[in-house]
Amino acid sequence: AQRVTQPEKLLSVFKGAPVELKCNYSYSGSPELFWYVQYSRQRLQLLLRHISRESIKGFTADLNKGETSFHLKKPFAQEEDSAMYYCALDAGGTSYGKLTFGQGTILTVHP
Amino acid sequence: EAGVAQSPRYKIIEKRQSVAFWCNPISGHATLYWYQQILGQGPKLLIQFQNNGVVDDSQLPKDRFSAERLKGVDSTLKIQPAKLEDSAVYLCASSLSSYGQYFGPGTRLTVT
Repeated sequence: AQRVTQPEKLLSVFKGAPVELKCNYSYSGSPELFWYVQYSRQRLQLLLRHISRESIKGFTADLNKGETSFHLKKPFAQEEDSAMYYCALDAGGTSYGKLTFGQGTILTVHP
Repeated sequence: EAGVAQSPRYKIIEKRQSVAFWCNPISGHATLYWYQQILGQGPKLLIQFQNNGVVDDSQLPKDRFSAERLKGVDSTLKIQPAKLEDSAVYLCASSLSSYGQYFGPGTRLTVT
């Protein structure tokens, strides 16, 4: 069975500092990885997916199959980045669309 | 476009009572999901519908939970009877393609 681990429950940085939210997964196949974000008083929303290889709000994430990681990075954190971040995995195949979420990391960006 | 709608937003019940949640997905989204999110944890998939058929309900506690999606649009999730450990936020999500899932605001259930 697949598993997603986000080792940091809380992460605090200062505005302008680089930030990296860690995500590790265990799955023997070729999964699809996502980052979801939940800002205060808002619903959970998709931030980015690895297949798109895009940068959203300055965030990027690279899938490292050797290390089974999908860390989320931003070179210069902003106060508006403060939120709960979830890493999620879609195993595909017969489980297509079924997301397995990590426990989440609360990011706080201090002014 | 309108987002995923859920009601009620909050519900407080006593254990052994019944409760039902409603979800209206984004128009045209064939796939609908119900998740349970216990405080401090990530969402856990309970059931996945494709149109009005069940794709995956392996993590649904079928002795007390049931869900249906009539006519492939709206869906209801029911708990009967509720237990204390059912206290959680119940999230509904829908998707059209492989791009990603769109979530509703959730229903916060407290069982006393």
